[in-house]
Amino acid sequence: ETGVTQSPTHLIKTRGQQVTLRCSSQSGHNTVSWYQQALGQGPQFIFQYYREEENGRGNFPPRFSGLQFPNYSSELNVNALELDDSALYLCASSAAGTGELFFGEGSRLTVL
Amino acid sequence: QQQVKQSPQSLIVQKGGISIINCAYENTAFDYFPWYQQFPGKGPALLIAIRPDVSEKKEGRFTISFNKSAKQFSLHIMDSQPGDSATYFCAASMHQGAQKLVFGQGTRLTINP
Repeated sequence: ETGVTQSPTHLIKTRGQQVTLRCSSQSGHNTVSWYQQALGQGPQFIFQYYREEENGRGNFPPRFSGLQFPNYSSELNVNALELDDSALYLCASSAAGTGELFFGEGSRLTVL
Repeated sequence: QQQVKQSPQSLIVQKGGISIINCAYENTAFDYFPWYQQFPGKGPALLIAIRPDVSEKKEGRFTISFNKSAKQFSLHIMDSQPGDSATYFCAASMHQGAQKLVFGQGTRLTINP
């Protein structure tokens, strides 16, 4: 059973650019969530996808968007990057209704 | 009302001692309370979780104590080991709707050998 995998692990962008982060969910999991973890803070919920539809969103602006594909993998897209977007972006997968989220190791984004 | 408050921010315990981390919440609709362990450079790993129909859950050296009336829950690590040194996060979520976890600020635990 493979766990949640994310790519890339590290990346550096400049302010105003766009970034796409990718996530493969754990086998058997049909729900994917994305979280932002700033340095020294707890993860903050961005949004969740179930059956390729967004079914919950945290307090993040529309320039944060996502996709879920038929194989349950997912992408997080961030447009018009700002310095404060520098963080660890975590993907978590779960089986719908269980509440148990399993996280990947994250993609560390640095915005200069 | 969506916040989960965690304390202490940092904790140092001697090897073999008991580590205790506390969390408090306001939203009575929360019905799932997990604890996550995070090592540097890694994602959070689910450690143990509890639902409010029980007051205590034990898995090995890890125990969650839950006080529904006080809206508090805590993690106890018995016989703490240097390998337990990590950052611990409590969290809470509601069963209905999106499985949105609200995390505490984290506790950096150091176990001295």
